Amino acid sequence: AQTVTQSQPEMSVQEAETVTLSCTYDTSESDYYLFWYKQPPSRQMILVIRQEAYKQQNATENRFSVNFQKAAKSFSLKISDSQLGDAAMYFCAYRSINTPLVFGKGTRLSVIA
Amino acid sequence: KAGVTQTPRYLIKTRGQQVTLSCSPISGHRSVSWYQQTPGQGLQFLFEYFSETQRNKGNFPGRFSGRQFSNSRSEMNVSTLELGDSALYLCASSLTAGVNNEQFFGPGTRLTVL
Repeated sequence: AQTVTQSQPEMSVQEAETVTLSCTYDTSESDYYLFWYKQPPSRQMILVIRQEAYKQQNATENRFSVNFQKAAKSFSLKISDSQLGDAAMYFCAYRSINTPLVFGKGTRLSVIA
Repeated sequence: KAGVTQTPRYLIKTRGQQVTLSCSPISGHRSVSWYQQTPGQGLQFLFEYFSETQRNKGNFPGRFSGRQFSNSRSEMNVSTLELGDSALYLCASSLTAGVNNEQFFGPGTRLTVL
């Protein structure tokens, strides 16, 4: 079964600084999608960024970018110019045609003013 | 366009009772997925429905069931509630059941079993 591991239960970053959240996954499939979701204290989960495994180019969405290392099965999220509104739980997730969304345990990010 | 709505938002039940949770997807979305979120187990997939058909089911006991109606609204039912069923139940909708379709999540239903 596919598994997703987030090794950092909690992280903190100073406002305007950059932070990287780690994620590794285990799979024997070659075609899949990886996602980062954000869950603010209000609980509504929102998609931050997604990466298709067959695309070598790392995905970028404004201040959010990923470092996708397919061979190492690593998918980290970089948040640049951190803002107070970035404080939330961040979940890394995996999905394929054979596997519904599988989430990691999450990383709680605090942003210090 | 209205987002995913879930009702009720909060629910308190006692052991042995049953409960039905409702999810209304974004207009035009035909796929609905359900997830259970607990502090211990994290986010776990329950089921996925597309066009009234269950496409996938997670590793949960048969007490957990669901269905989808012709208007894409979905319900999930938990019978014979146990204390461990206390959780936040999240519903997500997407246009289709395709792997690359973005899932839009609702605010969740907080179920407490006493």
